[in-house]
Formats: sequence, structure tokens, C-alpha cells
Amino acid sequence: SAVISQKPSRDICQRGTSLTIQCQVDSQVTMMFWYRQQPGQSLTLIATANQGSEATYESGFVIDKFPISRPNLTFSTLTVSNMSPEDSSIYLCSVVGNVRQFFGPGTRLTVL
Amino acid sequence: GQQVMQIPQYQHVQEGEDFTTYCNSSTTLSNIQWYKQRPGGHPVFLIQLVKSGEVKKQKRLTFQFGEAKKNSSLHITATQTTDVGTYFCAGPISGGYNKLIFGAGTRLAVHP
Repeated sequence: SAVISQKPSRDICQRGTSLTIQCQVDSQVTMMFWYRQQPGQSLTLIATANQGSEATYESGFVIDKFPISRPNLTFSTLTVSNMSPEDSSIYLCSVVGNVRQFFGPGTRLTVL
Repeated sequence: GQQVMQIPQYQHVQEGEDFTTYCNSSTTLSNIQWYKQRPGGHPVFLIQLVKSGEVKKQKRLTFQFGEAKKNSSLHITATQTTDVGTYFCAGPISGGYNKLIFGAGTRLAVHP
């Protein structure tokens, strides 16, 4: 199993600002994933973060809005840029281990 | 594009009643996974089904994978208050290694 921590756990931000979310895993992993879960909704994959290469973004998500860093095999950051109220969501990172995905506790973001 | 549909969206049951959620994919899946998210929590892996027609049981939970590998179901027998949460099915994104597309989820409320 993998133990994942995220910082911050929650934040309230003003529109137009940016927030960087950190994800730390207790073991080395090749791929880390970032998901968004809008209030009362399902999870949507934002991007895959690979160490040593640029992140791969899913349709509807762009690097300018959600820049991702992956400096090593246990850590990644997701930045939500130029935020608007529509960005209010829970952002979760995850890793794969033994078939299953392990999720971090999530970062609950509210944009005013 | 690829879709995973899940019904019902909500289900309210009396404790002791049975519960079933259904998942249907627009494409044939190599496998399907089920996750449970407790209120305020993050998704937790329950099970993966791989084979056509596969049925797996975990105590009161029964998971099925359809013969065509496009649909799946989760049945809970004699629900308990600890079963409260949202149940998600998820399938691999076509062409994406370890990437998942999630169904909309079924939110289960159990009344004592």
C-alpha cells in the first residue's frame, strides 16, 4: 500500500490568485495522477505527472491553468492558476500500487 | 468520447435492505474497479474485476462483471449504517496506462 499526504488540506482563495497543492508519497512511484472532484460530483482526471518529463494532460485541462511539477519519485505539485469560483473543488493526487489506485486525502479549495 | 455511466445517482434504504448500483461503459473494458468514498473522505479501492462474467464477493458485497465486459454491478445485502458513502465504478481510459475514468457514483444513505 501507499500512504499519501497532501498540503494544504483546505484553503479559501480569492479569484485571480494561484494555489499550489503538494502531494507526498511514502514510496517511489513512476506515475502520479491528479484528479478533480467538483462538489457532489465524480472524479475527473486532470493529468499524469511523470518524473523527468512533462505532465500529460487530459482533454479540457491545459498546462497554463494547471502547471504540474514532478521533481522526484515521491513528490508532485499541482498549481491552480488564475482561479475563478468554478475552480472550487477537491483536488486529489493518486498513485497506482498492485493494480489499485491509492488516493491522498484531498485538498478542498474554495474560490471566492 | 469514452463514457462510464452509473445509476442510480442516489439511493436511500432502511437498514437491513439490499442495495444495488449499476455501471455501464460505452467501450469494452479490460477491467473494472470499484471504490467507496465515505462522506468527507477520499475514494478507497474495493475490488477489481478482470474476467468476463466474473463474480466476486466480499462479505455482504457482491460484484459482477458482465459477459461483454461493458457493464458491472455492486450489490450489498442487508445494508448497515457503515455502508453509507458514495460508490464509484471506474474503468481504464482507452489507450491510457493506469488512467481511470470514473462513473458518476451512487450515493447511498442508510436509515437506521
